[in-house]
Amino acid sequence: QVQLVESGGGVVQPGGSLRLNCTASGFTLKNYGMHWVRQAPGKGLEWVAFIRYDGSNKYYADSVKGRFTLSRDNSQNTLYLEMNSLRVEDTAVYYCAKDLERASAIFDYWGQGTLVTVSS
Amino acid sequence: QSALTQPPSASGSPGQSVTISCTGTSSDVGGYNYVSWYQQHPGKAPKLLIFEVNKRPSGVPDRFSGSKSGNTASLTVSGLQAGDEAVYYCNSYAGANNFVVFGGGTKVTVL
Repeated sequence: QVQLVESGGGVVQPGGSLRLNCTASGFTLKNYGMHWVRQAPGKGLEWVAFIRYDGSNKYYADSVKGRFTLSRDNSQNTLYLEMNSLRVEDTAVYYCAKDLERASAIFDYWGQGTLVTVSS
Repeated sequence: QSALTQPPSASGSPGQSVTISCTGTSSDVGGYNYVSWYQQHPGKAPKLLIFEVNKRPSGVPDRFSGSKSGNTASLTVSGLQAGDEAVYYCNSYAGANNFVVFGGGTKVTVL
């Protein structure tokens, strides 16, 4: 069965950095686009970033553009989200989500999420 | 402020139906048939309920249905059950500039 497991969350000071990992199993990662979606405490879902199945194109929400970098290693079945210059407003549960196709913006499987807390 | 507009709450009695709207623009909901709906229970990850406006993934009951008219998509939950009490989110593909937009979520209460 499809599984997505996020890791790397934690507490970081404003201006700091963190790298989130998403390990995929149960499907062939190289055939699908992948996303990160976040949810601030008590708030709604916010799309963060997308990477095409082959890593050739990446898209970012304006709120993270220039600070977050998405990459993937299909041979390791892993997705990475490098987060720099973190702000208090980046505090959220970060979900890794599989695209239904290669770039449909339909999230058919989600991980359990990893909490990132930005606080001094 | 979310890009797609949903009512913050909706409610119905067991067995009744509830319909949730999701209003966008011609650049997202109105421009593509990539509208999806998700159900999220407290403390859990979202679950895909409807994709491409009106398609259901395997395992999702046919009590859940989707539709679209112009810039507004809708999710109808028929035969409400206690387990349907959750927050429902819509999202849409929004082109190469914005890529993905979400609604703010609608909390459904089963009375």
